[in-house]
Amino acid sequence: EAQVTQNPRYLITVTGKKLTVTCSQNMNHEYMSWYRQDPGLGLRQIYYSMNVEVTDKGDVPEGYKVSRKEKRNFPLILESPSPNQTSLYFCASSLAGFGTDTQYFGPGTRLTVL
Amino acid sequence: RKEVEQDPGPFNVPEGATVAFNCTYSNSASQSFFWYRQDCRKEPKLLMSVYSSGNEDGRFTAQLNRASQYISLLIRDSKLSDSATYLCVARGYNFNKFYFGSGTKLNVKP
Repeated sequence: EAQVTQNPRYLITVTGKKLTVTCSQNMNHEYMSWYRQDPGLGLRQIYYSMNVEVTDKGDVPEGYKVSRKEKRNFPLILESPSPNQTSLYFCASSLAGFGTDTQYFGPGTRLTVL
Repeated sequence: RKEVEQDPGPFNVPEGATVAFNCTYSNSASQSFFWYRQDCRKEPKLLMSVYSSGNEDGRFTAQLNRASQYISLLIRDSKLSDSATYLCVARGYNFNKFYFGSGTKLNVKP
């Protein structure tokens, strides 16, 4: 089944404790992206990747890191999480990131930073 | 100003009604456009892309007005299952950046 998976789905952590949210897709998509969703603000793009070893900042990259060492995986790293990073996070992928390519989203990771 | 703006609603309509949502976009978010549907904090799913000439998919019609910088979604013969949040999405001049509206909530009632 074609899908985007994220782990963990739910995470409660404390300020400053490094964490990684994994994202994996099995559709051989080149383009992957991370978003956060906050009430009243919609989804905002954190980072995106056009292909292996090619990443760039979205609109809200502060406090986050990403890597793309393999085509299928695009982990999101919070080196020192803070309470303002409490949010619902979505990973997405699409074939090539051009034109009207459909983005397929993972199920989301609900993160709470205390 | 946000790149993509939507009326948050909620729009409360009876079954069978026709309902329309608009979404405005800025110059920096104007390459291509989409409507996504999101059910209660689940992942967004593509409803339809929006083409320059307008396009229809069953009960759903999307229109693009570049002169006034807005896109619209029309839902005819609303079903209870159409209750969801509809997200307007625009791709920026940097093709790899996407801008989401905050969503319009639709409640279809029996």
